[in-house]
Amino acid sequence: EDQVTQSPEALRLQEGESSSLNCSYTVSGLRGLFWYRQDPGKGPEFLFTLYSAGEEKEKERLKATLTKKESFLHITAPKPEDSATYLCAVQAGKLIFGQGTELSVKP
Amino acid sequence: NAGVTQTPKFQVLKTGQSMTLQCAQDMNHEYMSWYRQDPGMGLRLIHYSVGAGITDQGEVPNGYNVSRSTTEDFPLRLLSAAPSQTSVYFCASSPLSPGEDSPLHFGNGTRLTVT
Repeated sequence: EDQVTQSPEALRLQEGESSSLNCSYTVSGLRGLFWYRQDPGKGPEFLFTLYSAGEEKEKERLKATLTKKESFLHITAPKPEDSATYLCAVQAGKLIFGQGTELSVKP
Repeated sequence: NAGVTQTPKFQVLKTGQSMTLQCAQDMNHEYMSWYRQDPGMGLRLIHYSVGAGITDQGEVPNGYNVSRSTTEDFPLRLLSAAPSQTSVYFCASSPLSPGEDSPLHFGNGTRLTVT
């Protein structure tokens, strides 16, 4: 069965404390992996698409990487405004979303 | 560009009532979809459309109807609301079917409570 699992469910960081969020997947025929950011009371907002193992993409303090089994969203020196829920989704025939990681960055 | 607009933002229904959640996009996207988001679960696809006049079922279609008479609008109808339909509903659109270098653009959701 195709599955997408994100960990941890919640992550609390101090401002400037770098860390990573994980998205592991078991699907047949990956066509793309998407990362989204969701603020409270808002819809998800697109961040990155990754297509093949070894691919990396960066945006400000965020860097997304992809292997054959998982993707990481690295957050370098986070700020309070990075607090949000981060969702990953895998496209393999159908689009499957993970449950999300709620990130809280305290000043 | 307003993007994807959903109305209403909040709604409370009694069991058995019907209602329509509205969704409109001004980006001329062919693909539109409805998701529900529940605590501890990923977004789940209810129905989707690849163009005007074409709709199809997603993962959790029971209790919901959709139609697509124009490119811009994709309303979601709850026929007879049940407490299990209490959720946050998101409409999303993209130029192509998701995955073809075509990420989804989401609205800001409708929070529905069924009592």
